[in-house]
Amino acid sequence: EAGVVQSPRYKIIEKKQPVAFWCNPISGHNTLYWYRQNLGQGPELLIRYENEEAVDDSQLPKDRFSAERLKGVDSTLKIQPAELGDSAVYLCASSLFGLAGNEQYFGPGTRLTVT
Amino acid sequence: TQLLEQSPQFLSIQEGENLTVYCNSSSVFSSLQWYRQEPGEGPVLLVTVVTGGEVKKLKRLTFQFGDARKDSSLHITAAQPGDTGLYLCAGGGEETSGSRLTFGEGTQLTVNP
Repeated sequence: EAGVVQSPRYKIIEKKQPVAFWCNPISGHNTLYWYRQNLGQGPELLIRYENEEAVDDSQLPKDRFSAERLKGVDSTLKIQPAELGDSAVYLCASSLFGLAGNEQYFGPGTRLTVT
Repeated sequence: TQLLEQSPQFLSIQEGENLTVYCNSSSVFSSLQWYRQEPGEGPVLLVTVVTGGEVKKLKRLTFQFGDARKDSSLHITAAQPGDTGLYLCAGGGEETSGSRLTFGEGTQLTVNP
């Protein structure tokens, strides 16, 4: 069974440029998460989807970040415009249900460098 | 924002040694998970504990959930180089975070051959 797929794996952009990350969750998983992980720290949740509905986006910086999950499968996370402080690894994860005790399966992440 | 504090932040030991990593919080969690993350990869779940005082064993790894469900520990016996990685604890179901997982900052373990 294929795991969570993310692309691109690496992205280098100049500040003020837009960038987008794509995630394909494990087939059948209705819950999808986007996390940001800074170097030497644990992941921080940006947004959680139940099917196509964003049910927890309280930690998403909405002035520059946006996300969508059309048809409740794939998801895209966008940053526009990017700032130097956005450099981090962006992780996508999925689970069967959104319960806290459920296992989350993570993708390999996209390492973003903003110069 | 709920904090999960992990200690130590960094640990470098020799193959064959034992070690313990701690995860502490001031809040109660309904579940506590431990993940291991290797460079260039996402975290991979090792275990979930849900009952206060629960102990789970996974080969040479022993996980314990505190009686009050505020803390947890991970003990590795006879560590091997393959155990090297970033160990993350994550708490869920705390009353203010609901089903959101709150991750600790991680313990970077290096096991030298």
